[in-house]
Amino acid sequence: GEDVEQSLFLSVREGDSSVINCTYTDSSSTYLYWYKQEPGAGLQLLTYIFSNMDMKQDQRLTVLLNKKDKHLSLRIADTQTGDSAIYFCAESRGTDKLIFGTGTRLQVFP
Amino acid sequence: GAGVSQSPSNKVTEKGKDVELRCDPISGHTALYWYRQSLGQGLEFLIYFQGNSAPDKSGLPSDRFSAERTGGSVSTLTIQRTQQEDSAVYLCASSLTGDTEAFFGQGTRLTVV
Repeated sequence: GEDVEQSLFLSVREGDSSVINCTYTDSSSTYLYWYKQEPGAGLQLLTYIFSNMDMKQDQRLTVLLNKKDKHLSLRIADTQTGDSAIYFCAESRGTDKLIFGTGTRLQVFP
Repeated sequence: GAGVSQSPSNKVTEKGKDVELRCDPISGHTALYWYRQSLGQGLEFLIYFQGNSAPDKSGLPSDRFSAERTGGSVSTLTIQRTQQEDSAVYLCASSLTGDTEAFFGQGTRLTVV
């Protein structure tokens, strides 16, 4: 199937690290993306990783890709209240459509 | 324009009426997507355009839904005889090609009463 799966909720304390996980099904995916959706707003690309990479770091964000297990994760270091949002992973397969996960709602509490 | 523009931003319609939702993609972007996001749900793929053609219409929920794209640019999503379950936010995205970053519009919130 085409399912991209994520856990629905994650709650973390401000200053801690957040890890959001995603599993996908198509081993031929070329790019994998993380998008952020803040309340009442559209989706914004946070970061992406090409399928031949294992890890990508961008400031507080670290993306890990395990192709063997088809597992993607997003780690946010020093999580802030402004990071509260819904996070979507997505995969693309060449020029085909983007397949999105169900989204993980991250709640950061003081 | 600078980003993906969708109109209207909000639409309230009576059950049974037809609605048209518009998407203006970023200039030069060949790929255009329509997604639907129901309250508290993830993104549901509806249709994908490459240029003016739609290689994948598999996500359209019923024959009441149709979409077209003209001139490789503007796209309209039409919902005929709207039902209450059509209430959702309809998001449009475009990308330079089919496998590069997709930029999203702010969406159209459709409410069917």
